[in-house]
Amino acid sequence: EAGVVQSPRYKIIEKKQPVAFWCNPISGHNTLYWYRQNLGQGPELLIRYENEEAVDDSQLPKDRFSAERLKGVDSTLKIQPAELGDSAVYLCASSLGTGERDNEQFFGPGTRLTVL
Amino acid sequence: AQKVTQAQTEISVVEKEDVTLDCVYETRDTTYYLFWYKQPPSGELVFLIRRNSFDEQNEISGRYSWNFQKSTSSFNFTITASQVVDSAVYFCALSEGWGDKIIFGKGTRLHILP
Repeated sequence: EAGVVQSPRYKIIEKKQPVAFWCNPISGHNTLYWYRQNLGQGPELLIRYENEEAVDDSQLPKDRFSAERLKGVDSTLKIQPAELGDSAVYLCASSLGTGERDNEQFFGPGTRLTVL
Repeated sequence: AQKVTQAQTEISVVEKEDVTLDCVYETRDTTYYLFWYKQPPSGELVFLIRRNSFDEQNEISGRYSWNFQKSTSSFNFTITASQVVDSAVYFCALSEGWGDKIIFGKGTRLHILP
């Protein structure tokens, strides 16, 4: 079974440029998460989707970050414009659901963003 | 508020030694879930274990074991007879509900020296 797929794996941009990350969750997984991991830190949740609905976006900096999951499958996270402090690894995770037996989150390899 | 503290930033041990990674958590909820993840150099987070707050039974899986003590709010992880392949960053994490966001600690970087 294929895992969570993310692209690109690496991205280098100059500040003020836009950037987008793509995530394809494990087939059949209804819940999708975007996390940001700063250097030397643990991941922090940015947004959680259940199907097409963003059910927790309280940590998403909405002035410059946006996300979508239009058909309840793959998702895109966008930053516009990027700032130096956005340099981090952006991780996507998915889970079958949110019930007791199916909420294990499977993580993708992440996209390492460097803003110059 | 939720918080996970991993006081050990970096640990180095020689192969075949046992090593324990400490984790202390804070939460106001009586129902919560604790996790350990491994992050090898490739960057992908690998799930190791999940434990709910009502299950204090310790668990052993091969060379890995976990000690959950609610009295001290700790969920420590021990690797027995460590191997070089165990070298990675290990994260302890906490969630207050099924499917809720996972709060991660800052991680412990483990070096297993040959």
